[in-house]
Amino acid sequence: QSALTQPASVSGSPGQSITISCTGTGSDVGGYNSVSWYQQHPGSAPKLIIFDVSNRPSGVSDRFSGSKSGNTASLTISGLQAEDEADYYCSSYTSTFTYVFGTGTRVTVL
Amino acid sequence: QVQLQESGPGLVKPSETLSLTCAVSGDSISNNNWWSWVRQSPGKGLEWIGEMYHSGMNHYNPSLKSRVTMSMDKSKNEFSLRLTSVTVADTAVYYCARHSGYRLLYWGQGTLVIVSS
Repeated sequence: QSALTQPASVSGSPGQSITISCTGTGSDVGGYNSVSWYQQHPGSAPKLIIFDVSNRPSGVSDRFSGSKSGNTASLTISGLQAEDEADYYCSSYTSTFTYVFGTGTRVTVL
Repeated sequence: QVQLQESGPGLVKPSETLSLTCAVSGDSISNNNWWSWVRQSPGKGLEWIGEMYHSGMNHYNPSLKSRVTMSMDKSKNEFSLRLTSVTVADTAVYYCARHSGYRLLYWGQGTLVIVSS
């Protein structure tokens, strides 16, 4: 299975909104509403920030939102803050009962 | 509060077997959740290794399937990963995690395993 495709890096100024894309196929992203997003700060374990395409776990800021269209899922961070600087990974369930992660996106706050 | 803690050798020789254990507290591995292993090579992205259920059912990443075995010890409330015939490409931080539905909600802190002679 191939990793889902994400842009290597995205940057924005404080207060701006940015969007990270996650492109897969009909056998993963397009076939299931089981896309999750994870935030990972250096030296730390990943943290779930979006699940089932657009749901936020308890305690996650509502500045994070998710959506999906066809084979591409997206994560939007609004009101960008310095603490949002991190790596972000999407993940999807697949038709072969496995999971696949995205290639990862480094978010830089200018 | 669900907590997971990985443990195992930090150094493994090429061609040998990597063995890691994940100790779970705050939840029972016999409950209705799947348990996964994920790894991250230095400076690289996340790679899902596989998952297992308390019934013994498991699913593995096709690229690792021939070398991976996951198991559980319900008496100790822990689950394990075995990866055979390791190479330097298996050097990574290995995480254990608990699913909630299709999401990995709880993660261990990760343990670095270096494959080197």
